[in-house]
Amino acid sequence: DAGVTQSPTHLIKTRGQHVTLRCSPISGHKSVSWYQQVLGQGPQFIFQYYEKEERGRGNFPDRFSARQFPNYSSELNVNALLLGDSALYLCASSLGPGEQVLDEQYFGPGTRLTVT
Amino acid sequence: RKEVEQDPGPFNVPEGATVAFNCTYSNSASQSFFWYRQDCRKEPKLLMSVYSSGNEDGRFTAQLNRASQYISLLIRDSKLSDSATYLCVVNAHKLSFGAGTTVTVRA
Repeated sequence: DAGVTQSPTHLIKTRGQHVTLRCSPISGHKSVSWYQQVLGQGPQFIFQYYEKEERGRGNFPDRFSARQFPNYSSELNVNALLLGDSALYLCASSLGPGEQVLDEQYFGPGTRLTVT
Repeated sequence: RKEVEQDPGPFNVPEGATVAFNCTYSNSASQSFFWYRQDCRKEPKLLMSVYSSGNEDGRFTAQLNRASQYISLLIRDSKLSDSATYLCVVNAHKLSFGAGTTVTVRA
């Protein structure tokens, strides 16, 4: 079975540009979460979507937005890119919304974004 | 105070040794706990979910102390392939990750 897939794997953008990252969850999983990981730190929570609705939002500016589609895939959009947005962006899928004690999340390979 | 704090290490141990490290969390309402491992420039992979007061999976043992709000991970009979960064993860309506503990197993 395919795991979580993300595209693109690498991306180079210029400050002020916009970027769209994509994620397809494991088949049967209905929840997608997005994380940002900068070098030397753990992943930081950005958004969670479950059944196409936003279920959680981390401490990120409004330049970050996301959505989930009827097939449970998801997009993360970042506007007006800053140098500090350079990071590994990880998508994770889970069966449910994370309210069950053992609702485990499985990560995709990530998109490495470099902003110059 | 950070939501999840870990000793960054690195822990350098010989093959066959036992290594253990802790993680503390600040939110007493946290519901579930996990250990992930992350290899350099790769995605985190689920190593263990932590049940009740703790559980064991082969050479790996995780323990949870809710009263003191810490989780530990113990690796027995270390292998070279255990070299990685171990991320402590706490779920209180969202997953909060520690910055990771780096373990290097040497031959």
